[in-house]
Amino acid sequence: NAGVTQTPKFRVLKTGQSMTLLCAQDMNHEYMYWYRQDPGMGLRLIHYSVGEGTTAKGEVPDGYNVSRLKKQNFLLGLESAAPSQTSVYFCASCGQTNNQPQHFGDGTRLSIL
Amino acid sequence: AQSVAQPEDQVNVAEGNPLTVKCTYSVSGNPYLFWYVQYPNRGLQFLLKYITGDNLVKGSYGFEAEFNKSQTSFHLKKPSALVSDSALYFCAVRDHRRGGSYIPTFGRGTSLIVHP
Repeated sequence: NAGVTQTPKFRVLKTGQSMTLLCAQDMNHEYMYWYRQDPGMGLRLIHYSVGEGTTAKGEVPDGYNVSRLKKQNFLLGLESAAPSQTSVYFCASCGQTNNQPQHFGDGTRLSIL
Repeated sequence: AQSVAQPEDQVNVAEGNPLTVKCTYSVSGNPYLFWYVQYPNRGLQFLLKYITGDNLVKGSYGFEAEFNKSQTSFHLKKPSALVSDSALYFCAVRDHRRGGSYIPTFGRGTSLIVHP
């Protein structure tokens, strides 16, 4: 029972490069989320999805795109990486009812040089 | 609108002493409240939640939390701290109402340091 799996775990990019972060969950959850965590900033929501084929913007969506083509997968794309996007990225999922906790992956540590 | 405040960036406690990590919230309807713990280089892990009923909620690793509606607080507690409890703790709130927010609101986190 893997829960929420994020790949890759680490990545170093050069400014201007693009990449995709993959999140996969095996709990049949409807809702999925992408956060970034920076020192002193807590968790900030980038994008989220309430079901297959749907996505919505969170608090800090600029510079990122997402797709949810399959229910179990939620992809986060960086179109043209910038040093300000150096961060730890976390994916989370949860069921539809509001009393359910989120399940988090162990993060992707991304450095943009 | 919903919000969460964790007024302390860091809490220091000696091993064996009781610990409290504070959380206050604001939400339009009735709240669902959660505590999560984050160990270094790991994602957040669910500790406990308040849905309804008994104001004292027990969770994993000996932690408990007390819901206080009049003070809009949900403080995390443990009777006897362990060095291994040292971690980052997050409080979160979701609106109870059907169709309410899909998005939990998190506090900024409190770093708990337990000294041997």
